[in-house]
Amino acid sequence: DGGITQSPKYLFRKEGQNVTLSCEQNLNHDAMYWYRQDPGQGLRLIYYSQIVNDFQKGDIAEGYSVSREKKESFPLTVTSAQKNPTAFYLCASVNSRRESQHFGDGTRLSIL
Amino acid sequence: AQTVTQSQPEMSVQEAETVTLSCTYDTSESDYYLFWYKQPPSRQMILVIRQEAYKQQNATENRFSVNFQKAAKSFSLKISDSQLGDAAMYFCAYRVPNSGYALNFGKGTSLLVTP
Repeated sequence: DGGITQSPKYLFRKEGQNVTLSCEQNLNHDAMYWYRQDPGQGLRLIYYSQIVNDFQKGDIAEGYSVSREKKESFPLTVTSAQKNPTAFYLCASVNSRRESQHFGDGTRLSIL
Repeated sequence: AQTVTQSQPEMSVQEAETVTLSCTYDTSESDYYLFWYKQPPSRQMILVIRQEAYKQQNATENRFSVNFQKAAKSFSLKISDSQLGDAAMYFCAYRVPNSGYALNFGKGTSLLVTP
């Protein structure tokens, strides 16, 4: 079955450390997105990519970086510049007809 | 910037009853999409229903229907014959056409279903 796979499910970061969250999709979708969810908040857009080798900042991109070297993959790096990284991170994708977004199961990132 | 407002942080409904969740949004666009997503305790985001702004007919998916009032910029979700499995966070979302079709979410409504 096609879908979006996020890994790991849980991740812990030490102070000053960069960590990378994985997002892989086998839906052949062109566009991919990263959202952050904090308690009591909706999802907020971090980065998005509409095609390979191109990506755009969302509303809260500071302290994060991404790459899109393959259509199937859109990893998110949480850098040490992100001072409050504890959150639930969701990856999503959408097909060329721009229909409804499909979401992965998320990664919970915590600070050690 | 487009904003999505869900004014009810929490709602409660008895099993088999009907409940309506409110959502308003702000946009200057004339053609856009609106969505309701469900997030159960598993944290998975599940699409409930989608509405295209140029369609005047309200979308319906089984027990879920919307009341789309374009002039009032209102997009409420009605859940009929509520079931225990409907208990979840519900998010209203607006699709942003000039940001790669990303979604702009409200803060959510937590729905409790009581037996």
